[in-house]
Amino acid sequence: GAGVSQSPRYKVTKRGQDVTLRCDPISSHATLYWYQQALGQGPEFLTYFNYEAQPDKSGLPSDRFSAERPEGSISTLTIQRTEQRDSAMYRCASSAQLQETQYFGPGTRLLVL
Amino acid sequence: KNEVEQSPQNLTAQEGEFITINCSYSVGISALHWLQQHPGGGIVSLFMLSSGKKKHGRLIATINIQEKHSSLHITASHPRDSAVYICAVGRGTSYGKLTFGQGTILTVHP
Repeated sequence: GAGVSQSPRYKVTKRGQDVTLRCDPISSHATLYWYQQALGQGPEFLTYFNYEAQPDKSGLPSDRFSAERPEGSISTLTIQRTEQRDSAMYRCASSAQLQETQYFGPGTRLLVL
Repeated sequence: KNEVEQSPQNLTAQEGEFITINCSYSVGISALHWLQQHPGGGIVSLFMLSSGKKKHGRLIATINIQEKHSSLHITASHPRDSAVYICAVGRGTSYGKLTFGQGTILTVHP
């Protein structure tokens, strides 16, 4: 595609529910990143993929968070048993190769009630 | 102390002024990124650099690896430059992980 897309753009859920966020990177981009951005704060790294491999998931806040990129293209971020503190903007970015310029998606705004 | 520190946190300027935003970091890096976050929330990558200086239009980014410091300059500032400017560093030990500064809120008045 022309750019990085994310869906849904907005998600409201109740505490305890599971949510899955989707990221569609720029075609042929090898590397995909997930970030969490709380209101008024800078982004914070969650995890990244190089093709299907997930070399670093050190930023995932807890084992309720998981990410997949099974075919090296689209990625999903799943949050199980959501909590109010999970409310944030979740951003995805992709780059052609590791350590190259990152192109950011519009983000998914998650609100946990 | 954060690994990436930006200054100032807030910056107000008049149209036409020369603007400098600073970024200092305390860790070994593979590259430094300057990002722009628009009022609508979108994030755009402005520069990625590991040495020297890069220029794009009215924007100039410099980095001094020895001093662990980078600057973003905007010449002839314009109200449309109003945004949050974020410095982020890529660590040499985890190539895909960026560590972000807290951002600098720039407001340019006409």
